[in-house]
Amino acid sequence: EAQVTQNPRYLITVTGKKLTVTCSQNMNHEYMSWYRQDPGLGLRQIYYSMNVEVTDKGDVPEGYKVSRKEKRNFPLILESPSPNQTSLYFCASKPHSQETQYFGPGTRLLVL
Amino acid sequence: GENVEQHPSTLSVQEGDSAVIKCTYSDSASNYFPWYKQELGKRPQLIIDIRSNVGEKKDQRIAVTLNKTAKHFSLHITETQPEDSAVYFCAASKTNFGNEKLTFGTGTRLTIIP
Repeated sequence: EAQVTQNPRYLITVTGKKLTVTCSQNMNHEYMSWYRQDPGLGLRQIYYSMNVEVTDKGDVPEGYKVSRKEKRNFPLILESPSPNQTSLYFCASKPHSQETQYFGPGTRLLVL
Repeated sequence: GENVEQHPSTLSVQEGDSAVIKCTYSDSASNYFPWYKQELGKRPQLIIDIRSNVGEKKDQRIAVTLNKTAKHFSLHITETQPEDSAVYFCAASKTNFGNEKLTFGTGTRLTIIP
């Protein structure tokens, strides 16, 4: 089944404890992105990648890192999480520019 | 950077009536405008998109119009049904020269009243 998967789906952590949210797609898509969703703010793009080893900042990259060492995986890294990073995070992928983007199920993160 | 404004933030419509959601964008170079639907507790899903070389696109009960001069685009849903109740997001992107930034509006909560 073609899909985008994220792990974990729910995470409670404490300020400063490094964490990684994994994202994987099995559709051989070139493009992958990370978004955060907050009430009243909609979805905001954190980082995107157009291919292996090609990443760029979205609108809210501060406090996040990403890597794209393989086509199927695009992990989101929070080196030192802070409470303002408490949010719902979505990974997404699409085959090429201006084509349908498929979202993962979301990861709900709470930073205490 | 790009700024996308979306109105209204909430919209209630009688079943069978039409619903219209409007978005404006700031960057005249934006060339791709997708619309996403997000049901409660679910992930966003693309419902329709339009490219800057087209003024209107339809898919059954859903249509999107684009006015590049005024920098606004709208989602039209006709003959609304209860399953249309969801949050709808517009977005704008300038997809060229290796740029894939996608900026979303803040969403419209659409409620269909039976």
